[in-house]
Amino acid sequence: QSVLTQPPSVSGAPGQRVTISCAGSDSNIGAGFRVHWYQLVPGAAPKLIIFDNTNRPSGVPDRMSGSKSGTSASLAITGLQAEDEADYYCQSYDSSLSDPVVFGTGTKVTVL
Amino acid sequence: EVQLVESGGGLVQPGRSLRLSCAASGFNFDDFAMHWVRQVPGKGLEWVSGISWSVETTGYAVSVQGRFTVSRDNAKKSLYLQMDSLRTEDTAVYFCARAQPDIVLLPTTIHFDYLGQGTLVTVSS
Repeated sequence: QSVLTQPPSVSGAPGQRVTISCAGSDSNIGAGFRVHWYQLVPGAAPKLIIFDNTNRPSGVPDRMSGSKSGTSASLAITGLQAEDEADYYCQSYDSSLSDPVVFGTGTKVTVL
Repeated sequence: EVQLVESGGGLVQPGRSLRLSCAASGFNFDDFAMHWVRQVPGKGLEWVSGISWSVETTGYAVSVQGRFTVSRDNAKKSLYLQMDSLRTEDTAVYFCARAQPDIVLLPTTIHFDYLGQGTLVTVSS
């Protein structure tokens, strides 16, 4: 149902680098609309970790970075830590839908 | 410190109503549009509704249009969601969210810089 597709899961050992893709289309990411990323830890409030494709809010470690190219975007986490284990969602805007605020399908990051 | 605290969730039968509240603190509430986002258990996030800082503009997802009503009381720094004619598919955790930027209700650059911990709504007979 979601117009932004993410891999269901990614995993890595502590210290490693993982990337999460967010595949969209010409009516959302490909149209130039910005991509934002959220971290969801069970029992905690969802947290914005990347906004406007590449920007980190204050307090988010620089181990987390965002990028965008064509109709896709990516979130990279370097120096993976146990506290990074969470669900991650991308979000953008879609000009073809009645509900223009769109989220990705979500990715579970597991720290091995 | 920005805080958003939701309340009002619970178990309700299909066809009944429920009213969610969100208490805001730590920022000038009437400077921001506010939204509701939900997560169906085991599934992804979905935008539900939003209201401008001035209360003049509201927006709803197609799935809740005509059944849900968003409102706010800037004096009380509170956001509300009146949910009527509830359906089993409305079962979800409902998050209150502060929107950026606050130009219009649904700018193309919209994102949510703060969200609450959520309140669980279960619609079941």
